[in-house]
Amino acid sequence: GIQVEQSPPDLILQEGANSTLRCNFSDSVNNLQWFHQNPWGQLINLFYIPSGTKQNGRLSATTVATERYSLLYISSSQTTDSGVYFCAVGPYGNNRLAFGKGNQVVVIP
Amino acid sequence: DTGVSQDPRHKITKRGQNVTFRCDPISEHNRLYWYRQTLGQGPEFLTYFQNEAQLEKSRLLSDRFSAERPKGSFSTLEIQRTEQGDSAMYLCASAAGAGDTQYFGPGTRLTVL
Repeated sequence: GIQVEQSPPDLILQEGANSTLRCNFSDSVNNLQWFHQNPWGQLINLFYIPSGTKQNGRLSATTVATERYSLLYISSSQTTDSGVYFCAVGPYGNNRLAFGKGNQVVVIP
Repeated sequence: DTGVSQDPRHKITKRGQNVTFRCDPISEHNRLYWYRQTLGQGPEFLTYFQNEAQLEKSRLLSDRFSAERPKGSFSTLEIQRTEQGDSAMYLCASAAGAGDTQYFGPGTRLTVL
């Protein structure tokens, strides 16, 4: 099956700093989503981005489908940005999402 | 849309008991998915439905697991003869179509003692 690798696995940031999370995947996809998992376990949709660039407030994402990677940018980080970020991909002809192991982000004041 | 809902949110059971979870998808979403997440890992696919038809099952879904979506609306996931290894968060998601955004519910956290 498709492989999804996220880096870095753990990240500690000072409040106000910027960061980039990376997701590499091993096959062509027609679905790519970024999630933030809250402390209660719910997956919050951040972006649906199988290709291109999107921005939502302090967050933005870019997927380069031909090179099989996606980036999630967090700017001016806040303590509420702490948590686990997941990248999930859906290969062509397959309905399931395959998740990476996540990026654990801690923002300290 | 009210979002995907799941019930119960938490379930504690003794080994060997049967448990059933319910998922209500976003209305008019014809695709419904079940995933399982263990501590420190990303969610893993279990099964998915298109309307009432169960079209794909993961090898993770042993014969103790069964899922239904009888009228193409809500779905149930039953685990028979629970084992401690079944302890996990069970997540449900729905989508309008193939390749579309999947929206996740809050999950059911199962603890098997």
